[in-house]
Amino acid sequence: NAGVTQTPKFRVLKTGQSMTLLCAQDMNHEYMYWYRQDPGMGLRLIHYSVGEGTTAKGEVPDGYNVSRLKKQNFLLGLESAAPSQTSVYFCASSSSSGGADEQFFGPGTRLTVL
Amino acid sequence: LAKTTQPISMDSYEGQEVNITCSHNNIATNDYITWYQQFPSQGPRFIIQGYKTKVTNEVASLFIPADRKSSTLSLPRVSLSDTAVYYCLVGDSNTGGFKTIFGAGTRLFVKA
Repeated sequence: NAGVTQTPKFRVLKTGQSMTLLCAQDMNHEYMYWYRQDPGMGLRLIHYSVGEGTTAKGEVPDGYNVSRLKKQNFLLGLESAAPSQTSVYFCASSSSSGGADEQFFGPGTRLTVL
Repeated sequence: LAKTTQPISMDSYEGQEVNITCSHNNIATNDYITWYQQFPSQGPRFIIQGYKTKVTNEVASLFIPADRKSSTLSLPRVSLSDTAVYYCLVGDSNTGGFKTIFGAGTRLFVKA
């Protein structure tokens, strides 16, 4: 069991470039989440999904898009990267609503936008 | 939306018991209280969850008073490896509304 994996681990982008972060989980979880964590701060929810084919906005969705075409994968896209999106991105999954169920986190992707 | 308030940081020494209190005045009837631990450069890890009274597992205890407006995470006999950030969350299982919010957390520093 790999749990939750994230690709890539590190990435440097120039302003205006686009990229996709991939999250995969092998626990057959229904719920998946994307968070960002800025230095010294807590995690902020970007988008989440309650099942295959569904997505919903979290606290800070602007500038990001997501897709959940397969149950095990949750993709986070940045169409036109900005320096304000420099952060560490964590993906998580849970078997039911994260409010009442344990979330399993990936190792994170460190993104720098120049 | 239920928000939580925790101390920003705490210091302790090895072998001591550490208690971290979280305030959640707006907790709703269906909300659970969950604590996570995060080490540098890693994702958070689940520690313990409870609804009311006391919950204990192999790493921690969680005390929740009757009014549920606060909760206390208790770490017995901490070691240097317990140095981390601890997050308190409240949220429910209502699939119609996802309410879990991570706050800034409490930085625990354990000294030798």
